[in-house]
Amino acid sequence: GQNIDQPTEMTATEGAIVQINCTYQTSGFNGLFWYQQHAGEAPTFLSYNVLDGLEEKGRFSSFLSRSKGYSYLLLKELQMKDSASYLCAAGGATNKLIFGTGTLLAVQP
Amino acid sequence: GAVVSQHPSRVICKSGTSVKIECRSLDFQATTMFWYRQFPKKSLMLMATSNEGSKATYEQGVEKDKFLINHASLTLSTLTVTSAHPEDSSFYICSAREWGRDGNIQYFGAGTRLSVL
Repeated sequence: GQNIDQPTEMTATEGAIVQINCTYQTSGFNGLFWYQQHAGEAPTFLSYNVLDGLEEKGRFSSFLSRSKGYSYLLLKELQMKDSASYLCAAGGATNKLIFGTGTLLAVQP
Repeated sequence: GAVVSQHPSRVICKSGTSVKIECRSLDFQATTMFWYRQFPKKSLMLMATSNEGSKATYEQGVEKDKFLINHASLTLSTLTVTSAHPEDSSFYICSAREWGRDGNIQYFGAGTRLSVL
């Protein structure tokens, strides 16, 4: 079957580092995506991993281990504006994206 | 990243009316567009895959006669909610993917909040 698991909620402090984990099971694999979604808005693309390893983009990094069906999104130097829902999505054999339920991150002062 | 425009951003309509939502890729050609539905505090549920010049592929449980999809050009897909009822009230989001660009990244429109009275 196809399944994406990620924590429902997380809380972190401004200026800190937070890691959001995601495990996935898909029929075929075509990449792992992370999106940020603020309440009432559409998701915005953050990162894409198709090979094992770490991809770094400024304050955001994403890691993938295909053998473990595991990814994480790392957010450094947290800012209040980073409070949002973070969606993990896996691309399957049909090129569709299977989305997790999202992790609601609350950044506190 | 690529820009996807979705219009309107909000619709309030009476029960029984039809509502059309447009999704446009502004700076790239999208051979494939996707339509999602999202309930409050839930993740995105794929409704259908829209392919330019051919019929849309609907996910299981999505009524194709209720949610009409047309992808007439490489930059435009439309979703028409026919004879809308209160249970159709939701946040509808489209996304577009350009063939050969950035792998399979989907870029999302701003979403349309539909409220059926």
